[in-house]
Amino acid sequence: DSGVTQTPKHLITATGQRVTLRCSPRSGDLSVYWYQQSLDQGLQFLIQYYNGEERAKGNILERFSAQQFPDLHSELNLSSLELGDSALYFCASSAAGDSYNEQFFGPGTRLTVL
Amino acid sequence: KNEVEQSPQNLTAQEGEFITINCSYSVGISALHWLQQHPGGGIVSLFMLSSGKKKHGRLIATINIQEKHSSLHITASHPRDSAVYICAAPPPYGGSQGNLIFGKGTKLSVKP
Repeated sequence: DSGVTQTPKHLITATGQRVTLRCSPRSGDLSVYWYQQSLDQGLQFLIQYYNGEERAKGNILERFSAQQFPDLHSELNLSSLELGDSALYFCASSAAGDSYNEQFFGPGTRLTVL
Repeated sequence: KNEVEQSPQNLTAQEGEFITINCSYSVGISALHWLQQHPGGGIVSLFMLSSGKKKHGRLIATINIQEKHSSLHITASHPRDSAVYICAAPPPYGGSQGNLIFGKGTKLSVKP
């Protein structure tokens, strides 16, 4: 158990819908990362937050948005869903926000868009 | 952009064999991560290293910053080591950021 929690574990929805994925980091970790893993693309970085502020942005679509709240939990919002958004979405956390910190991964949310 | 390449893509071994997975990257980096993804999908961080060598149980990771190369070794492999092993590096500008670029992974299967 990494100490990072993600909900829900599975999500099945229809095209055009909007969903929210939630992540709670390990106690004391200030940085949260969101990653997408699809069969054809592998793991890809979406966005990083550090202590409530956006720190780095990757290949995140405009239909996707995220935020980190004062209690450090984070939410990833996916809207106008398309079939291609079906993937595993991982959240990870680390103590600080730089590349020298080990990242601890949550169990993932499996999103299926029908 | 930093390209992270792993080899081999697939690896089948007999229980007890010594295993090596390689990772190379195109741009100089300051740190490299090795991750393990279980068949159920969960990801575990194995190592983060910026120089030399680290050991944890039967796992050993080495990195040569000058040669832009890292290896993950598993000694006395066991069927429970069967998983996908992924190396990841930060983008070249990203020392102050934690985001990672991932290799495509090496799928390891250890037969009893």
